[in-house]
Amino acid sequence: GENVEQHPSTLSVQEGDSAVIKCTYSDSASNYFPWYKQELGKRPQLIIDIRSNVGEKKDQRIAVTLNKTAKHFSLHITETQPEDSAVYFCAASWNTGGFKTIFGAGTRLFVKA
Amino acid sequence: SAVISQKPSRDICQRGTSLTIQCQVDSQVTMMFWYRQQPGQSLTLIATANQGSEATYESGFVIDKFPISRPNLTFSTLTVSNMSPEDSSIYLCSVVTDLETQYFGPGTRLLVL
Repeated sequence: GENVEQHPSTLSVQEGDSAVIKCTYSDSASNYFPWYKQELGKRPQLIIDIRSNVGEKKDQRIAVTLNKTAKHFSLHITETQPEDSAVYFCAASWNTGGFKTIFGAGTRLFVKA
Repeated sequence: SAVISQKPSRDICQRGTSLTIQCQVDSQVTMMFWYRQQPGQSLTLIATANQGSEATYESGFVIDKFPISRPNLTFSTLTVSNMSPEDSSIYLCSVVTDLETQYFGPGTRLLVL
């Protein structure tokens, strides 16, 4: 069945270092790959997304890469700050016969000051 | 983007009772969904709220337990019926905009005693 695997489950970095979270998906129909940041007690917030016709997208300190052949996509956060500490979810979506989203299990990122 | 509000934001309920959660969006959206998020877990889709017709439920969720209404393109309700402590969770409304971007409401934190 459809599946999104996300690694690592926990990531601890020093402030200023980079953080990378990786996801793989199983359904070839997936064509939209959003990333959400969820702080404690808050809603999942869309921080960046990428569609299947693009290989890389960047927004300030955040970038996402997509390799459709390998069914891999990754989130890169550079110059991490303590406020980046949160749980990050990747997801794979498609819209054939109805919009469907499969979420990864989440990565808990700790940025140590 | 879409601005989504939910009511109530949190509630404490007795087992055997029911709670109705409301979701309001600031613009018309074709697709609305209800998710559940257990503490420390990822997002699980309960159902797709279809405007003018019965909701489409995911495996493991049934209409008798989670009746859903969607009277128009900006509003939906989810009822958690005959509650038990296992229903304690965060319930999130979600929408997909015309640009096929998915957003989440602030969530309803439910505790069943």
